[in-house]
Amino acid sequence: GNSVTQMEGPVTLSEEAFLTINCTYTATGYPSLFWYVQYPGEGLQLLLKATKADDKGSNKGFEATYRKETTSFHLEKGSVQVSDSAVYFCALSNNAGGTSYGKLTFGQGTILTVHP
Amino acid sequence: KAGVTQTPRYLIKTRGQQVTLSCSPISGHRSVSWYQQTPGQGLQFLFEYFSETQRNKGNFPGRFSGRQFSNSRSEMNVSTLELGDSALYLCASSPEGHGAREQYFGPGTRLTVT
Repeated sequence: GNSVTQMEGPVTLSEEAFLTINCTYTATGYPSLFWYVQYPGEGLQLLLKATKADDKGSNKGFEATYRKETTSFHLEKGSVQVSDSAVYFCALSNNAGGTSYGKLTFGQGTILTVHP
Repeated sequence: KAGVTQTPRYLIKTRGQQVTLSCSPISGHRSVSWYQQTPGQGLQFLFEYFSETQRNKGNFPGRFSGRQFSNSRSEMNVSTLELGDSALYLCASSPEGHGAREQYFGPGTRLTVT
């Protein structure tokens, strides 16, 4: 079946530090990959996506590259801000065989705290 | 374009009662999915509806049910509530019924069962 594994958290950084949150996946076929962010008391917001191997998704300074050879989709940002403090979720969508309609499989989430 | 809306935002119920949560998708989106989020289990898929038909269902007991109306609005119902049903329930809509597509989430309904 499909699964997503995120790096253990939480992650604590100082403002302007470099961020990496690791994400690896297991899936048959060619899944689409996503990063979502959740701020306190809110739902999930789509941060970026990649739909095929070697695609790079980017948004608001965040980037992630779909690496099929390593089954990874690591999230990076060159200089974090206090406002980036949130929970980040890696997710995949895989409709191989037509059996996973409307289902995102999520990692466990990584709490990011950025200090001034 | 308005985002996904969920009502109510907060709900407190007693064990044994039932509850109905509502979700209005983004205009034009025909696929609606529901998730349960808890600190222990994370985000778990409940079910997905498209054109008023349930196409996919997660591993939850039959107490959890849902439906979708012709305007794509969806409801989920939990009967005979248990303490373990306390969670954030998230609804998400998607613009396409086929293939692997991104989903757009509502703010969630926080259900507390006492």
